[in-house]
Amino acid sequence: GAVVSQHPSRVICKSGTSVKIECRSLDFQATTMFWYRQFPKQSLMLMATSNEGSKATYEQGVEKDKFLINHASLTLSTLTVTSAHPEDSSFYICSASTTNHEQFFGPGTRLTVL
Amino acid sequence: TQLLEQSPQFLSIQEGENLTVYCNSSSVFSSLQWYRQEPGEGPVLLVTVVTGGEVKKLKRLTFQFGDARKDSSLHITAAQPGDTGLYLCAGNSGYSTLTFGKGTMLLVSP
Repeated sequence: GAVVSQHPSRVICKSGTSVKIECRSLDFQATTMFWYRQFPKQSLMLMATSNEGSKATYEQGVEKDKFLINHASLTLSTLTVTSAHPEDSSFYICSASTTNHEQFFGPGTRLTVL
Repeated sequence: TQLLEQSPQFLSIQEGENLTVYCNSSSVFSSLQWYRQEPGEGPVLLVTVVTGGEVKKLKRLTFQFGDARKDSSLHITAAQPGDTGLYLCAGNSGYSTLTFGKGTMLLVSP
């Protein structure tokens, strides 16, 4: 099956710093990648849709200047949480979409902002 | 806005019992995917159903897509502790984004 990696798996940072999370599709090219946020025992909340070579599309209520997304190649998308605060602490998950719209998910990144 | 109602939200059963999880919508989906997620990990795709009335089996798991492609069910036979996790259904309406249900947290006790 399609494999998606995510790095780092865990990050702890101080309030006010920026954190970059990488998402890679390892064995297929993904024109579209997605970034989700998940709170404990809840479903996934779509933050933004990332298309290679174009600006990301953000869901309502998600600050684009706070969560910077770059999709520089068909296998790599990055999410940068700028000036992180404790309320940004969460589980962030990326996914990559195949041509038949199946999404394969990365293992997630646990962000803790102190 | 498309909605996918998933039920039940929580399910705690004993090993060996059967269970069914439901996903219902008023919208038609071109396909529907079921995922299982363990704590601290990303969701893992179990199956994609595409055709109305389709039934797919994955060992003890049986997935069904409604005739009208508005609903789906997941049935687990003789549940085992290893089946414990968060089960998510997600509908695709022909575009790349998915509409997720709220998930079913399944706990199977020995």
